[in-house]
Amino acid sequence: NAGVTQTPKFRVLKTGQSMTLLCAQDMNHEYMYWYRQDPGMGLRLIHYSVGEGTTAKGEVPDGYNVSRLKKQNFLLGLESAAPSQTSVYFCASSYTTGGYVLSNQPQHFGDGTRLSIL
Amino acid sequence: KNEVEQSPQNLTAQEGEFITINCSYSVGISALHWLQQHPGGGIVSLFMLSSGKKKHGRLIATINIQEKHSSLHITASHPRDSAVYICAVAGGGADGLTFGKGTHLIIQP
Repeated sequence: NAGVTQTPKFRVLKTGQSMTLLCAQDMNHEYMYWYRQDPGMGLRLIHYSVGEGTTAKGEVPDGYNVSRLKKQNFLLGLESAAPSQTSVYFCASSYTTGGYVLSNQPQHFGDGTRLSIL
Repeated sequence: KNEVEQSPQNLTAQEGEFITINCSYSVGISALHWLQQHPGGGIVSLFMLSSGKKKHGRLIATINIQEKHSSLHITASHPRDSAVYICAVAGGGADGLTFGKGTHLIIQP
């Protein structure tokens, strides 16, 4: 049982390049999230998904796109990387029982992807 | 938007000391999470609570909903407890958590 797996773990890009970060979970969780972590700041939500085929914007969505074509995978794309997107990216997933209270379940995090944009 | 404040930002203590990390938030929540991030970077969920107190081993988490405040305590601290401890709050919707900036804890032998 691998939990939440992020690939790649490290990547260096040049400004303007594109790339996709992959998050895969094997816990059959409905909810998945992409966060970024920057020095001196708390983690911030980029995009999230409440189920296969659905995505929504979080706090800092600009410059990113996401897709959830399969329940177990949540992809984060950078179409044209910028130095401001240098960060550590974390994916998380959580279970839901359905109903109103949706985020009151522990979130399971991946190990992070360290991305540098030159 | 909920504002989550943690204190202290940095804490260095001797092995065996009792540790307290505080978290306050500005808007009512449905749950509060305590997370641990080790130097390797991985993040682990320690507690999720919406009222009262929870205990797991040497870790204790409390929350006062009326005061909008939570504390994480570590008893008999050990160098392996050295990590960043992060408080995060859930608003009840699906839109993830709002995080504090974390408390960097170092326990010296």
